[in-house]
Amino acid sequence: GAGVSQSPRYKVAKRGQDVALRCDPISGHVSLFWYQQALGQGPEFLTYFQNEAQLDKSGLPSDRFFAERPEGSVSTLKIQRTQQEDSAVYLCASSPRPVSWDDNSPLHFGNGTRLTVT
Amino acid sequence: AQSVAQPEDQVNVAEGNPLTVKCTYSVSGNPYLFWYVQYPNRGLQFLLKYITGDNLVKGSYGFEAEFNKSQTSFHLKKPSALVSDSALYFCAALNTGGFKTIFGAGTRLFVKA
Repeated sequence: GAGVSQSPRYKVAKRGQDVALRCDPISGHVSLFWYQQALGQGPEFLTYFQNEAQLDKSGLPSDRFFAERPEGSVSTLKIQRTQQEDSAVYLCASSPRPVSWDDNSPLHFGNGTRLTVT
Repeated sequence: AQSVAQPEDQVNVAEGNPLTVKCTYSVSGNPYLFWYVQYPNRGLQFLLKYITGDNLVKGSYGFEAEFNKSQTSFHLKKPSALVSDSALYFCAALNTGGFKTIFGAGTRLFVKA
């Protein structure tokens, strides 16, 4: 497809369940980001991949959150033992080049996965 | 802590009137600045960005933004609002050399016919 694709679109999980959220970035995009958007808030950075390398995971809220991009294309965000505070929209974004000192590429966002933990 | 502030939760404007959505930032150095728009059930879409140079930046759909370094502001403007401009607008900043784009909380724009 032409844009960033995320699945599932909606996910309802019972507290304590594990979930996996998928992101298909734009083909050829080097950089991939995950953001968490709570209701009424702006997106908050979770993690950044340059190809398959996870260069920054400082935004992951706890060790229950894990992200991977093993072949430098599709990425999966996994949340273990979900809690109610994990309820949010999870946004994936990609950009064509690596983030660098002179890079100012805008982010291309997917439509997000809305996670509700009951 | 680095942050982006959008002081207005909501802006109401009549169709045909000019609109302004305010943004100020507290980010070290000379960050890149962006505006994104979010329509219902859709992801964020890029509108425009400021890198260096002219303080008035032109973007998509007739939007423009005015950069003011002394006030650390990057206000979004449009000379004549359309009903279809009604959406959620996010200001964002990227520190040069960093990975994290920092977003404001968003401003909901309502344009009334």
